[in-house]
Amino acid sequence: ETGVTQTPRHLVMGMTNKKSLKCEQHLGHNAMYWYKQSAKKPLELMFVYNFKEQTENNSVPSRFSPECPNSSHLFLHLHTLQPEDSALYLCASSRAYGVQETQYFGPGTRLLVL
Amino acid sequence: DAKTTQPPSMDCAEGRAANLPCNHSTISGNEYVYWYRQIHSQGPQYIIHGLKNNETNEMASLIITEDRKSSTLILPHATLRDTAVYYCIVRASFGNEKLTFGTGTRLTIIP
Repeated sequence: ETGVTQTPRHLVMGMTNKKSLKCEQHLGHNAMYWYKQSAKKPLELMFVYNFKEQTENNSVPSRFSPECPNSSHLFLHLHTLQPEDSALYLCASSRAYGVQETQYFGPGTRLLVL
Repeated sequence: DAKTTQPPSMDCAEGRAANLPCNHSTISGNEYVYWYRQIHSQGPQYIIHGLKNNETNEMASLIITEDRKSSTLILPHATLRDTAVYYCIVRASFGNEKLTFGTGTRLTIIP
């Protein structure tokens, strides 16, 4: 266990659905991240939050909407997704952003968009 | 961040030492070498990192060549649970937190 939990672990949704992914870290960290891992592709950084403020958005489509209500929780709201958005979505956290800190990953949510 | 080159796959017998190489010939002086691994369908797991000295922890050892152009991750007594994709990542010692994952090495431990 890394101290980073994600729910749900698996999700199947239609293209017109709205769903949310949740991430929670119990490490006292201040930075949280969303990554996407598609089949046969390297991990791609999507969003970075530092002290609840979004500091990076790597050209992610607006159908993905992150939310960070506090330093321990991170959400990814999903709306009108496409089948190519099917992937493993990973959350990570680190003590701080902008310095050399190890990131700790959650187990991921495997998403299938039909 | 400097790019890294790793073999796509390797096999290692259970109980033997697994030595995973990584080339990072364009690494700069302020860049660290990080290793993560990802067991099937799980999130990546931090293993170890170093700058220029060799490092050891409870999971592995990291050997960095004197010119820092390559490194080797050593799992001293590989078990079946070490079967995973291993990522070598070069990352600046300051600035943003980006971890740029490549395709890694798929290590299979053979019983």
